[in-house]
Amino acid sequence: AQKITQTQPGMFVQEKEAVTLDCTYDTSDQSYGLFWYKQPSSGEMIFLIYQGSYDEQNATEGRYSLNFQKARKSANLVISASQLGDSAMYFCAMREVNFNKFYFGSGTKLNVKP
Amino acid sequence: DTGVSQDPRHKITKRGQNVTFRCDPISEHNRLYWYRQTLGQGPEFLTYFQNEAQLEKSRLLSDRFSAERPKGSFSTLEIQRTEQGDSAMYLCASSRTSGTSGTEQYFGPGTRLTVT
Repeated sequence: AQKITQTQPGMFVQEKEAVTLDCTYDTSDQSYGLFWYKQPSSGEMIFLIYQGSYDEQNATEGRYSLNFQKARKSANLVISASQLGDSAMYFCAMREVNFNKFYFGSGTKLNVKP
Repeated sequence: DTGVSQDPRHKITKRGQNVTFRCDPISEHNRLYWYRQTLGQGPEFLTYFQNEAQLEKSRLLSDRFSAERPKGSFSTLEIQRTEQGDSAMYLCASSRTSGTSGTEQYFGPGTRLTVT
């Protein structure tokens, strides 16, 4: 089974609006971490935000927030006030504490329209 | 802190040739990861080092692939007898050791391999 599922291959959003990128995960571990990375067309992977499985509050980093619903095993990324520079691929990833590798989803390509 | 660096950034090789890539992690990071990323996909885990010890290898890593991290600092990934299916971006990432799940990885710019 896929560890990380991103069901939106592509998304469009109008500049200055908010957008939600979906991510669901599969694990039987109690302790794990969820991450979002941005990959612009230049190719580098940029860390955006982290949520621990025991964190009760949703993580926020500037315009990024992570909508963590543990029972549903979802970790959606919310980008507020989209900017043209947000156009990129976005990857959701998970690390299980008992294993030292990260699992990545297939990504969502976000296009911000002016 | 200059970030994770990878060399070369691009490599074009003929099928059957051997290639070697280098990764220099962030200096205080003792964990180092190699990933492969094909067009339109997320990174796929290949292997992982903690210091000089290679602790895990993916089944994706065939016998033609070998990775080393001899002194626990830089790492090399070698592909022998390259095949066209090896064409991909090879990403290196490093992180600190953490007893929790929350240590993010920092990625290098990648090495894009094209096998002709």
